[in-house]
Amino acid sequence: KQEVTQIPAALSVPEGENLVLNCSFTDSAIYNLQWFRQDPGKGLTSLLLIQSSQREQTSGRLNASLDKSSGRSTLYIAASQPGDSATYLCAVNDSNYQLIWGAGTKLIIKP
Amino acid sequence: EAGVAQSPRYKIIEKRQSVAFWCNPISGHATLYWYQQILGQGPKLLIQFQNNGVVDDSQLPKDRFSAERLKGVDSTLKIQPAKLEDSAVYLCASSLEPLIAKNIQYFGAGTRLSVL
Repeated sequence: KQEVTQIPAALSVPEGENLVLNCSFTDSAIYNLQWFRQDPGKGLTSLLLIQSSQREQTSGRLNASLDKSSGRSTLYIAASQPGDSATYLCAVNDSNYQLIWGAGTKLIIKP
Repeated sequence: EAGVAQSPRYKIIEKRQSVAFWCNPISGHATLYWYQQILGQGPKLLIQFQNNGVVDDSQLPKDRFSAERLKGVDSTLKIQPAKLEDSAVYLCASSLEPLIAKNIQYFGAGTRLSVL
């Protein structure tokens, strides 16, 4: 059974710093991995999708990597801003084409 | 393009009462999902529809939860009777085509349910 873990559960950093969020999964048989952002009172927004054959994806200040063999993904945020404060969730698209989710990392960027 | 619409945004009920949530997916999206997200956890899939047929409802507590998607567009999720542990955010999502590796789900803002 696929399990997705995100560590840490919460992270607070000063504005301007670069940071890394971690995601690990137990079964490497995935189609893709996605990173989502969730703001309080709002739904989930897809940030990046990495296919199982890819190593990384970039969008603006965000870079996501995937190491399928070790069951790990990272989300790198460069030059963090207060507007980046949110909960970040990763989810893997498993062999049944369903999303299996981590519990998320709550990120706070201090001005 | 309009996003996934959900209503109501908030609902407070007492245990043993009934409640219903509504979702209107993005136009043209064949697949619709209902998720339950308990505070501090990731979303858990309750039910997945492909057009108006159920693809997966293995995690839906069928003794109290029911869902339908009439005409393959709008969907309603009902809880009857509600329990305290049903307090959560109920998210609706839709996607164009689920059975591809590039499938992206688009989420509504969710309905926050509090059962007292």
